[in-house]
Amino acid sequence: AQSVTQPDIHITVSEGASLELRCNYSYGATPYLFWYVQSPGQGLQLLLKYFSGDTLVQGIKGFEAEFKRSQSSFNLRKPSVHWSDAAEYFCAVGAPSGTYKYIFGTGTRLKVLA
Amino acid sequence: NAGVTQTPKFRVLKTGQSMTLLCAQDMNHEYMYWYRQDPGMGLRLIHYSVGEGTTAKGEVPDGYNVSRLKKQNFLLGLESAAPSQTSVYFCASTGVGEKLFFGSGTQLSVL
Repeated sequence: AQSVTQPDIHITVSEGASLELRCNYSYGATPYLFWYVQSPGQGLQLLLKYFSGDTLVQGIKGFEAEFKRSQSSFNLRKPSVHWSDAAEYFCAVGAPSGTYKYIFGTGTRLKVLA
Repeated sequence: NAGVTQTPKFRVLKTGQSMTLLCAQDMNHEYMYWYRQDPGMGLRLIHYSVGEGTTAKGEVPDGYNVSRLKKQNFLLGLESAAPSQTSVYFCASTGVGEKLFFGSGTQLSVL
């Protein structure tokens, strides 16, 4: 069955520190993988996506993510967090054929300390 | 291009009332989705459609019905609203090899 797990509900980091948000998925083949960010009261903004090819994906706002097939993971990273990065982050898994279902994780809320 | 348009943006219902949320996309996308977002639970897939005239159940389909009579429209219906259906509803659409495009959301309160 297709599923997504974001193990960390809340993460707090200091401004300027590095960040890694975890995402694990379950799917029978290589899925489409996404990270979205949502600020309070706002819609979802796509940070980056992986469809195929290079397993290290660069996104907007200085974010990157690495697809690791052996670990069924797609963790999001940023080398130096800015206060404006405080938001909720969602990992999503899409089925590239067949059902074309897109499933989201429960989200990780990031707090940034000044 | 308007992208994905959801109507209405806000709605308050009494328990037992019915309503329909409309999602319209102008990108000729085959695939459309309805999600609900609740605090701490992320976005949960209610129903989705892989083409005109087709619909399928998602993770939380109970209490909702959908229809995709035209390719550009995907309707979400609540036949008898319950307080547990108070949520923010998002519609999305996509094509092959594309990202999900989201509507701006509908905030629904059921009293």
